[in-house]
Amino acid sequence: DSGVTQTPKHLITATGQRVTLRCSPRSGDLSVYWYQQSLDQGLQFLIQYYNGEERAKGNILERFSAQQFPDLHSELNLSSLELGDSALYFCASSLRESGTDTQYFGPGTRLTVL
Amino acid sequence: GENVEQHPSTLSVQEGDSAVIKCTYSDSASNYFPWYKQELGKRPQLIIDIRSNVGEKKDQRIAVTLNKTAKHFSLHITETQPEDSAVYFCAASSYGTGNQFYFGTGTSLTVIP
Repeated sequence: DSGVTQTPKHLITATGQRVTLRCSPRSGDLSVYWYQQSLDQGLQFLIQYYNGEERAKGNILERFSAQQFPDLHSELNLSSLELGDSALYFCASSLRESGTDTQYFGPGTRLTVL
Repeated sequence: GENVEQHPSTLSVQEGDSAVIKCTYSDSASNYFPWYKQELGKRPQLIIDIRSNVGEKKDQRIAVTLNKTAKHFSLHITETQPEDSAVYFCAASSYGTGNQFYFGTGTSLTVIP
């Protein structure tokens, strides 16, 4: 157990809908990263937050947004969902802002868009 | 942007043999290279990483080498064990300029007892 929690574990929804994925980092960690893992695209970095502020942006679609709250938990919002958004979404946390800090991954949220 | 290629996509070795997985990257600004192990149905876990100011790093049976000139880095696992069976991902990042991470497509390693 990495100490990173993600809810929900599974999510099934329809195209066009909007969902929110939640991540709680390890105690003391200030950075949260979001990743998407799909069969055709592999593992992709989406976005990083550090202490409430966006720090790095990867291949995140405009339909997706994220934020990190004062208690350091983070939410990833996915809207106007398409079939291709079906994937495993991981968050990871690390102590500091630096990308070289060890990242601890959560168990993931499996999103299925029908 | 950065492009990371990883080979082979699948690898089978006999228990006790060595396994080598290779990655190449395109952006000379990349300076941090982590390797992750992902067992079936589980989360990725960092197993070793290397920064661009180092040519080699070892941790027990695992080692990573980096050739900055050729822009490639490799994961070496010696004395493989069945519990090494997993998917391994390499990644490249340029820390200090935004923490972007680019992943290879993964190598499925099977260690045959």
